[in-house]
Amino acid sequence: DTAVSQTPKYLVTQMGNDKSIKCEQNLGHDTMYWYKQDSKKFLKIMFSYNNKELIINETVPNRFSPKSPDKAHLNLHINSLELGDSAVYFCASSQNFNEQFFGPGTRLTVL
Amino acid sequence: AQSVSQHNHHVILSEAASLELGCNYSYGGTVNLFWYVQYPGQHLQLLLKYFSGDPLVKGIKGFEAEFIKSKFSFNLRKPSVQWSDTAEYFCAVNGPPGTYKDIFGTGTRLKVLA
Repeated sequence: DTAVSQTPKYLVTQMGNDKSIKCEQNLGHDTMYWYKQDSKKFLKIMFSYNNKELIINETVPNRFSPKSPDKAHLNLHINSLELGDSAVYFCASSQNFNEQFFGPGTRLTVL
Repeated sequence: AQSVSQHNHHVILSEAASLELGCNYSYGGTVNLFWYVQYPGQHLQLLLKYFSGDPLVKGIKGFEAEFIKSKFSFNLRKPSVQWSDTAEYFCAVNGPPGTYKDIFGTGTRLKVLA
């Protein structure tokens, strides 16, 4: 029973395309996050939602837009993909800002 | 703003060697501290955490960490590493209170030679 799931696991696409990554957690947590991990394994937070409200919005190009339809889901839409967007994107969730539970990651490759 | 430093970027050890990975943070008030591990090709998993109480925290797989407030440190230790401990290790700090985000260190890549 996967706690935090992401789809797709791999995403290969051309520059300029628009794509979405979906995340779902079945832990009943109130907070969800999106992180970007680059090729050097540096983990950078992008967004966070608490009870469907955006609470963290880091310096991220506005081509990236999160959407939280409910507490259990946090999706990430990316417009006009660029080469530099290639990375592994991790979704995570937590309760009361306790430890985070991470999803398996989505490896995005922009050609 | 809170910052987290992991000074060891790459560590190579032989099996059975002892491990200590450094983690220092900048905010001097109340913090929550975490160590996460990322095995090759996998997602991050919690190793251990400190919120309050005994500053020596024991986690999974024989890992422990010591919170030293005066040094703003939360170093990770293991007395005897195994080949299966090869992974990336991330320190994370949440604080001051009311801060919604965890700040992650840049990670330490540990390679254990069999």
